Amino acid sequence: DGGITQSPKYLFRKEGQNVTLSCEQNLNHDAMYWYRQDPGQGLRLIYYSQIVNDFQKGDIAEGYSVSREKKESFPLTVTSAQKNPTAFYLCASSIFRQPQDTQYFGPGTRLTVL
Amino acid sequence: AQKVTQAQTEISVVEKEDVTLDCVYETRDTTYYLFWYKQPPSGELVFLIRRNSFDEQNEISGRYSWNFQKSTSSFNFTITASQVVDSAVYFCALSEAYSGGSNYKLTFGKGTLLTVNP
Repeated sequence: DGGITQSPKYLFRKEGQNVTLSCEQNLNHDAMYWYRQDPGQGLRLIYYSQIVNDFQKGDIAEGYSVSREKKESFPLTVTSAQKNPTAFYLCASSIFRQPQDTQYFGPGTRLTVL
Repeated sequence: AQKVTQAQTEISVVEKEDVTLDCVYETRDTTYYLFWYKQPPSGELVFLIRRNSFDEQNEISGRYSWNFQKSTSSFNFTITASQVVDSAVYFCALSEAYSGGSNYKLTFGKGTLLTVNP
């Protein structure tokens, strides 16, 4: 089955630690995205990638980093510079990065800073 | 700047009632796309529908229907004969074309929490 997988489902981090969230897709999509969701809020874009070896900052990129070495994979690192990292993180992909292209989402990773 | 407003933060209904979720958007572009997603308690966003700005036909899919009205900048979502499994957060989203090519943005509303009670 084609889809998007994210791991882990739950992640706990101590303050000062970097953590990496995994996102893999087998939909053969060019574009991939990372969003952050806080309680009662819509989704906010952290980073996106149109193609392998390319990525761009979204609205709230500070304290996060990404890489896109393979078409299928778009990992997100939450660094210690991120002041308030506790949130639900969603990865998405679309066939291309065009306004009409539907974004499909993974199951999410819930990050808690202890 | 584009904006999506879902004024209903929470709605609670009894099973088999019909319910309408409101979505009002703002955009300066003439070409844009509207989406609805469902987020069940598991957390994953499930795509429901995409509508182009130049297609104002209403759409029905089983118990779901969507009413798109450009005159009022609204794209409302109705669930007929609601069921407990419809309980979820529903998001409306807007993306604009011709706003910088690949620099377009998908803007989400804050969502409406629908609770369907048995």
